[in-house]
Amino acid sequence: SAVISQKPSRDICQRGTSLTIQCQVDSQVTMMFWYRQQPGQSLTLIATANQGSEATYESGFVIDKFPISRPNLTFSTLTVSNMSPEDSSIYLCSCWGPVETQYFGPGTRLLVL
Amino acid sequence: AQSVSQHNHHVILSEAASLELGCNYSYGGTVNLFWYVQYPGQHLQLLLKYFSGDPLVKGIKGFEAEFIKSKFSFNLRKPSVQWSDTAEYFCAVMGTTSGTYKYIFGTGTRLKVLA
Repeated sequence: SAVISQKPSRDICQRGTSLTIQCQVDSQVTMMFWYRQQPGQSLTLIATANQGSEATYESGFVIDKFPISRPNLTFSTLTVSNMSPEDSSIYLCSCWGPVETQYFGPGTRLLVL
Repeated sequence: AQSVSQHNHHVILSEAASLELGCNYSYGGTVNLFWYVQYPGQHLQLLLKYFSGDPLVKGIKGFEAEFIKSKFSFNLRKPSVQWSDTAEYFCAVMGTTSGTYKYIFGTGTRLKVLA
């Protein structure tokens, strides 16, 4: 199994600012992912964080808004840029373990005023 | 389009009642199926999974799920729930699209078990 930590656990931000969320895994993993979980909605995949190359974004998400870094096999960051109240959500980091099981971080709860 | 539907958004049960949470999916090709659970204040974690073989799979804490291919369903069951089963439950499908693995989650079902 993998243990994932995220920082910060929650934040309240002003409109127009940016927030960087950090994700740390306790072991080397090939695949890391970033999800958004909005109230009453399913987990929505934002992007796959690829080590050594650009992230792969899902439809509706762009690099300018959600830049992602993956400098090594245990760490990734997601930045939420130029925030608006619609970005208020829980942001989850995950990785794949054995047999395609996903392990999730505790999430970052973001409120944009 | 690929999708996962969970029909019950909120379920309230008394302890010892039986539980069945519905999950239907739409995905062409071979799929792997999962149920994840998020207990209050905790991370999402795997409850059980189906890849192949016996369509009735057993997970942790007495949960089981049955894959019915003809109905595109993977319903979660427990014969007798406990107060500690209060949590949010997510069904998920993993399949391949253009050679890329993709996970799709349902919207989740909030279960509240009354002591």
